Amino acid sequence: QVQLQESGPGLVKPSGTLSLTCAVSGGSISSSNWWSWVRQPPGKGLEWIGEIYHSGSTNYNPSLKSRVTISVDKSKNQFSLKLSSVTAADTAVYYCARDMATVTTSWFDPWGQGTLVTVSS
Amino acid sequence: EIVLTQSPATLSLSPGERATLSCRASQSVSSYLAWYQQKPGQAPRLLIYDASNRATGIPARFSGSGSGTDFTLTISSLEPEDFAVYYCQQRSNWPRPCTFGQGTKLEIK
Repeated sequence: QVQLQESGPGLVKPSGTLSLTCAVSGGSISSSNWWSWVRQPPGKGLEWIGEIYHSGSTNYNPSLKSRVTISVDKSKNQFSLKLSSVTAADTAVYYCARDMATVTTSWFDPWGQGTLVTVSS
Repeated sequence: EIVLTQSPATLSLSPGERATLSCRASQSVSSYLAWYQQKPGQAPRLLIYDASNRATGIPARFSGSGSGTDFTLTISSLEPEDFAVYYCQQRSNWPRPCTFGQGTKLEIK
């Protein structure tokens, strides 16, 4: 079955750019699915960041849109997240997930294990 | 943005009891609501999608109901492994953004 694994630096300096990659195994990123990033600040709830299709089409959360870029690398079967101008408020566990989007809705299954990114000098 | 409000914030029950968790949307989301379970240190796990459809491998004791603005997740008889945090999530009118509720913590009484 499909499995996802996040990777990237665990520490990012304020005003810097957070960069993470999600490797997809057990299935093709070029399948008829979207792929999403979701984050969770320590002890808090979940926030959807955005999603990408293998064609490169993207949708972003308006609250983060000005700072977010999600890209896909079909040759490596992975997708990536970049979040610029980070502050301490961006400290969170970042999850990637398969986005089971239909023409009207979507839900997330499965999820990667998550990776903690701390923004600190 | 559609706001999801979950209640109660914390629910204290004993194994074997029935759990009823609520999720209310600030406007209608039709049946486009999902439920997730999250245990400490783990990623969320999909339980229910489209309000009432159990995800693959989810035990029959989990059921979802509702439409419009009011939704319920019911666990018919609690097992020890069911004590966790539960989140609802909506995504009506894709590709508009999805939102999550703030979570309900189900704890052992």
